[in-house]
Amino acid sequence: GQNIDQPTEMTATEGAIVQINCTYQTSGFNGLFWYQQHAGEAPTFLSYNVLDGLEEKGRFSSFLSRSKGYSYLLLKELQMKDSASYLCAVMDSNYQLIWGAGTKLIIKP
Amino acid sequence: GAVVSQHPSRVICKSGTSVKIECRSLDFQATTMFWYRQFPKQSLMLMATSNEGSKATYEQGVEKDKFLINHASLTLSTLTVTSAHPEDSSFYICSARAGGVQETQYFGPGTRLLVL
Repeated sequence: GQNIDQPTEMTATEGAIVQINCTYQTSGFNGLFWYQQHAGEAPTFLSYNVLDGLEEKGRFSSFLSRSKGYSYLLLKELQMKDSASYLCAVMDSNYQLIWGAGTKLIIKP
Repeated sequence: GAVVSQHPSRVICKSGTSVKIECRSLDFQATTMFWYRQFPKQSLMLMATSNEGSKATYEQGVEKDKFLINHASLTLSTLTVTSAHPEDSSFYICSARAGGVQETQYFGPGTRLLVL
């Protein structure tokens, strides 16, 4: 079957760095997405990786290793507004998005 | 760019009534739109995929006669929940994709449905 694993919840301190991991087993691979979802709101797009390596976009970076079926989202200089759920989604061979359950990130002052 | 709107943002209705939710891509033409449902503290669940001008493709377990989807134009898709019941209360979110299958999906703000 197809599976996306990410931690249920993580806690970090304002100003610090946090890494949210995502591992996947899917039938084929056509890219991996990270979305941010604040409570009660719809997801917003953060990043897309289809090749191995690190993609940096401001305070957020996303890494992909296709051979390991692994990605992480790195958030630097954490701000209170970064408190949200972070969803990992993989596009499979049928171009369907397979969603992880999301990681709830709690930022403490 | 890539703005998707949804209307209404929140709706409360009586059991047995029908509710229509609109999803619009405001600054691009959406060849494909997706409808998701999300229950509290759970992940997104894809309900159906719709391409402009053709019938929607429903995911397993989603009743097509209960959740009517119309994708009449490249900027508008509607989801009608027919004969809604309390168990249909959920957060309904649409997303739209501009071009090919590898294009990013952009989400609307969601519609919170409460059926009494």
